[in-house]
Amino acid sequence: EDKVVQSPLSLVVHEGDTVTLNCSYEVTNFRSLLWYKQEKKAPTFLFMLTSSGIEKKSGRLSSILDKKELSSILNITATQTGDSAIYLCAATGGSQGNLIFGKGTKLSVKP
Amino acid sequence: EAEVAQSPRYKITEKSQAVAFWCDPISGHATLYWYRQILGQGPELLVQFQDESVVDDSQLPKDRFSAERLKGVDSTLKIQPAELGDSAMYLCASSLSLSTYEQYFGPGTRLTVT
Repeated sequence: EDKVVQSPLSLVVHEGDTVTLNCSYEVTNFRSLLWYKQEKKAPTFLFMLTSSGIEKKSGRLSSILDKKELSSILNITATQTGDSAIYLCAATGGSQGNLIFGKGTKLSVKP
Repeated sequence: EAEVAQSPRYKITEKSQAVAFWCDPISGHATLYWYRQILGQGPELLVQFQDESVVDDSQLPKDRFSAERLKGVDSTLKIQPAELGDSAMYLCASSLSLSTYEQYFGPGTRLTVT
């Protein structure tokens, strides 16, 4: 059965800290890995990764895919309270290339 | 900026009643998805459309759920009859095509069944 596992499930840090969120996947016909940020509403798109070893960066957020290890990490540097959210990892695969989501990592950034 | 529209944003209904949700994807997006997200879990795909055709509804509880996208644009998801366990966030997402994996989500409909 296809699955995506995220760790940790929750994390509490202080402003200015750097955090690393983990995602591992076991998905047939894997095609890409996506990261979303979800506050009290719908998920908003962060990154899509298809090639191993190439880092994608947007401001203080960066992410990289390791196809050999079937995993990805999302880094957030100099965290701010506005980074508090649930971060969802999803892998596309299966016969229809559908998104398979993990349970998410709940990040709380305290001032 | 183009967005996925959903309505209503919140719905409270009694069990055994019928309920319907509406979604209008980003203009030009051929592929539309309905997800259900239970608190503390990631979204789970219910049904996927390519234009007006269902591509995947293997996870849709067909005894009580139905979905349609008659003209290949907006879509409706219906539950009849609603059960207590259906309480969840129902999310609609769209992408340009089946081979475009980047999906954009609407604001969701929070359903509470009492």
